[in-house]
Amino acid sequence: DQQVKQNSPSLSVQEGRISILNCDYTNSMFDYFLWYKKYPAEGPTFLISISSIKDKNEDGRFTVFLNKSAKHLSLHIVPSQPGDSAVYFCAATGDDDKIIFGKGTRLHILP
Amino acid sequence: GAGVSQTPSNKVTEKGKYVELRCDPISGHTALYWYRQSLGQGPEFLIYFQGTGAADDSGLPNDRFFAVRPEGSVSTLKIQRTERGDSAVYLCASSPSGTSAYEQYFGPGTRLTVT
Repeated sequence: DQQVKQNSPSLSVQEGRISILNCDYTNSMFDYFLWYKKYPAEGPTFLISISSIKDKNEDGRFTVFLNKSAKHLSLHIVPSQPGDSAVYFCAATGDDDKIIFGKGTRLHILP
Repeated sequence: GAGVSQTPSNKVTEKGKYVELRCDPISGHTALYWYRQSLGQGPEFLIYFQGTGAADDSGLPNDRFFAVRPEGSVSTLKIQRTERGDSAVYLCASSPSGTSAYEQYFGPGTRLTVT
């Protein structure tokens, strides 16, 4: 029973355009949502987070949107750059401080 | 400064053998986490240490898995009687505080292959 779902295994986006990665969750008790980025042979790196009391958080080229009623969040990257090619994990955490990860979406930025 | 390091980077072992995987967290980080990432999946929580004690080991799949952190720094994940299904990348992460769960810094992982 997956609590955090990333239904797109991969996504290809032209360099300079907007990348939108989507994530759905089932547990309404989650209070923080996170995005991690992972390059091959490296561990995941924290990218951006959003509290459940907010609906948007922006950090440079990265913006995360949260729609609590739909239990949906998305990560927008604009403009997309070649170095953004990686696997992106959506994750969530609640009172127990455990991070629950989705399966990841592999983003390919095309030249 | 130095990040989280894990050794070995790769480990191949035969079914039934015992393995130890080591994690060196960032100096001063009190919280340490172990995750397992199987092919095509996201990291899956195994165990969390706050200092020397295991604060939550609910993610360990069975009693073949055990982890220690005797001095509150380095941690070792131990797997007895390995099975082919244990093949995965084992990730370690550390955090300056157990209350800021998302401020976790991950190591590069140990890829375990059980033949």
